[in-house]
Amino acid sequence: DAGVIQSPRHEVTEMGQEVTLRCKPISGHDYLFWYRQTMMRGLELLIYFNNNVPIDDSGMPEDRFSAKMPNASFSTLKIQPSEPRDSAVYFCASSFYRAKYEQYFGPGTRLTVT
Amino acid sequence: GDSVTQMEGPVTLSEEAFLTINCTYTATGYPSLFWYVQYPGEGLQLLLKATKADDKGSNKGFEATYRKETTSFHLEKGSVQVSDSAVYFCALSATGRRALTFGSGTRLQVQP
Repeated sequence: DAGVIQSPRHEVTEMGQEVTLRCKPISGHDYLFWYRQTMMRGLELLIYFNNNVPIDDSGMPEDRFSAKMPNASFSTLKIQPSEPRDSAVYFCASSFYRAKYEQYFGPGTRLTVT
Repeated sequence: GDSVTQMEGPVTLSEEAFLTINCTYTATGYPSLFWYVQYPGEGLQLLLKATKADDKGSNKGFEATYRKETTSFHLEKGSVQVSDSAVYFCALSATGRRALTFGSGTRLQVQP
């Protein structure tokens, strides 16, 4: 299995631009998580989906952030407009309900907003 | 709310030294506890887990015991290797909740 795939691996953009991060979970997994990692705040859950339905989005910072999962094999995290404080590493993770304790993480997308 | 507290890093050890990374948690009910490891440039990988009190999780020479009385889940390894250099995260999953709450991470540097 290819594991969780994220793209792009690195993104540099200017303040005010729209940014879209992409994630392909492991085939057969029915949970998908988006996390953000910063030096100041550590690793934070942003949102997670079960069977493509958002279950908990309480970690989404504000309305500039949105996440979708149109099908079982694809999810996006969009920031519009982006701000310098959004600079972070964004991780996607997936899991299978029967292996409920293990989440498989992608390599992350390093976002820099200038 | 739920929280995880880890010892500050970095932790610098010589090869074959004994490792302890402290982790304590705050949660209602009976959470599951985890250690994840992050190697440079990679995502997190599950290292070990424990789902109830007094359980011991173990993997690759690492161990941690779920101590409910002290709300702790300290990570130990008897003899570290240079290849163990990474960032280690303690995490919990609250009862009935899928999402993980992570500690701040502890960087381990092992010198030859």
